[in-house]
Amino acid sequence: GQNIDQPTEMTATEGAIVQINCTYQTSGFNGLFWYQQHAGEAPTFLSYNVLDGLEEKGRFSSFLSRSKGYSYLLLKELQMKDSASYLCAVNPHGQNFVFGPGTRLSVLP
Amino acid sequence: NAGVTQTPKFRVLKTGQSMTLLCAQDMNHEYMYWYRQDPGMGLRLIHYSVGEGTTAKGEVPDGYNVSRLKKQNFLLGLESAAPSQTSVYFCASSPPGTRRDTQYFGPGTRLTVL
Repeated sequence: GQNIDQPTEMTATEGAIVQINCTYQTSGFNGLFWYQQHAGEAPTFLSYNVLDGLEEKGRFSSFLSRSKGYSYLLLKELQMKDSASYLCAVNPHGQNFVFGPGTRLSVLP
Repeated sequence: NAGVTQTPKFRVLKTGQSMTLLCAQDMNHEYMYWYRQDPGMGLRLIHYSVGEGTTAKGEVPDGYNVSRLKKQNFLLGLESAAPSQTSVYFCASSPPGTRRDTQYFGPGTRLTVL
């Protein structure tokens, strides 16, 4: 089976950097995804990693280590609008997405 | 493009009532999904479809049925609603090809079963 762990909540200050970790155990692997979900809204795609290493996209970066079953999402220059839940999801071989429970990030002024 | 739309946005049912949730997408996506989201449990897959006329069970299919008669529509039915089905329901679709696994979500349907 699949198991994904993320911290439940995190708090950071506007302008700071925050790292949200995700660990997973899965039989086969076809990619790891990060989604952002503001309260009361739908998840929206942020990033996709299939190979080890860092993928950078503006203020957001995502890192993957397949051998360790580990990923993190790095958010730089935090803004108030970054307050949201961040969902880690894996796509095992031949199966559908498995989502983690999400990390609720609060950005304080 | 409207993307992925869901109808209704909110609904309150009594135990034992039935209802159908409608999902529509105008992006010509092959794959469509129904998830439920509960506090602390993340998104869980109920049913999915890999093309018109096909459906398959996900992680938590019991108590739900689905149909995909048209490529753009994916319907989720509750035949006899139970309080345990109180949740937020999200529909999603994904394109074919190399970006198949990037899912586009609808705005959600908040369902309460009394």
